[in-house]
Amino acid sequence: AQSVTQLDSHVSVSEGTPVLLRCNYSSSYSPSLFWYVQHPNKGLQLLLKYTSAATLVKGINGFEAEFKKSETSFHLTKPSAHMSDAAEYFCVVSELGNEKLTFGTGTRLTIIP
Amino acid sequence: NAGVTQTPKFQVLKTGQSMTLQCAQDMNHEYMSWYRQDPGMGLRLIHYSVGAGITDQGEVPNGYNVSRSTTEDFPLRLLSAAPSQTSVYFCASSTRGGTEAFFGQGTRLTVV
Repeated sequence: AQSVTQLDSHVSVSEGTPVLLRCNYSSSYSPSLFWYVQHPNKGLQLLLKYTSAATLVKGINGFEAEFKKSETSFHLTKPSAHMSDAAEYFCVVSELGNEKLTFGTGTRLTIIP
Repeated sequence: NAGVTQTPKFQVLKTGQSMTLQCAQDMNHEYMSWYRQDPGMGLRLIHYSVGAGITDQGEVPNGYNVSRSTTEDFPLRLLSAAPSQTSVYFCASSTRGGTEAFFGQGTRLTVV
């Protein structure tokens, strides 16, 4: 069975400071891992994905995430927050060959001007 | 390319009414799925389909039916709406193999 735990339901950072959104996963197989972003009253947009290639994954808008198998983590980072980053972020796991996505409960990111 | 299209965007139902949420994709994806999003719970899988004529239950299937007669369409039917089904519903599609899922814009459903 697969599961995802997002360790923070709400993160606030000042504009221009680093962002860290934490995610731990559990999977019986080699997982695919994703981060999706949802802006208010919008659909979901893929930020980045890990599918067993490089462990450091770069995504859109300056975000990146590192897959750490020993820690079962897939934390999302960005060096410098921008006001437009304010949104809800979901960490998602999918076991290879199984397209059923399991979502974390989400982390709401607030950017302080 | 339209991607994944959901209709309607908003709907209010009375308890006991039935309705169908429509989902269509034009990317020839084999895999389609329905999720519901509730505050503090992320998205939870309702039903999914790996191809025309094949459907299966997800995590929260009760009160919902699906069918997949074509590759493009995957409607979600609420048989007898209940207030507990008030939620935002998302349809998604993908190719097989655990790759990126493409989401529709969502349907906000309120059951009164």
